[in-house]
Amino acid sequence: AQTVTQSQPEMSVQEAETVTLSCTYDTSESDYYLFWYKQPPSRQMILVIRQEAYKQQNATENRFSVNFQKAAKSFSLKISDSQLGDAAMYFCAYRERSGNTPLVFGKGTRLSVIA
Amino acid sequence: DGGITQSPKYLFRKEGQNVTLSCEQNLNHDAMYWYRQDPGQGLRLIYYSQIVNDFQKGDIAEGYSVSREKKESFPLTVTSAQKNPTAFYLCASSPRRDTQYFGPGTRLTVL
Repeated sequence: AQTVTQSQPEMSVQEAETVTLSCTYDTSESDYYLFWYKQPPSRQMILVIRQEAYKQQNATENRFSVNFQKAAKSFSLKISDSQLGDAAMYFCAYRERSGNTPLVFGKGTRLSVIA
Repeated sequence: DGGITQSPKYLFRKEGQNVTLSCEQNLNHDAMYWYRQDPGQGLRLIYYSQIVNDFQKGDIAEGYSVSREKKESFPLTVTSAQKNPTAFYLCASSPRRDTQYFGPGTRLTVL
């Protein structure tokens, strides 16, 4: 079974600085999706970024980018120019490419942003 | 307005009662999912449905039941057999082979 591991339960960053959240996963599949979701205090799950495993280019969305290392099964999220609104729980998730299989989530990293 | 709605936002249950959480989507998504979130546990899958009139158990299905009679609706019933139901419940949907989108959640508390 696939597993997703987030080894940092909590992280903090100064406003305007850069922070990287780590995620590793285990799978025997060669084609899959990886995601980062953000959960602010409202508890609404918000998609931050999505990566398709067959694409070698790392995904980028404004201040958010990933470092996808397929061989190492690593998928880290980099947040540049951190803002107070970035404070939230961040979840890494994996999904097989075939069918509508459910997401497999890590346990999350709580990010604090210090003014 | 397109999206996923969950109701109620807060729900209180007495011991021994069954309660039903609503999840509706007007995005024409094929698949729908129910997750439970406890502090420090991330999200755990309860049930999912890839098509109308079909659903599969997830990792923690005991004490829960679902139905999928319409594409738009995937209600979750928390039965009295669920011994520790206090948690935050999230519903999600996805089009075929794509990202999951989440509703705003329901907070269930047992009194």
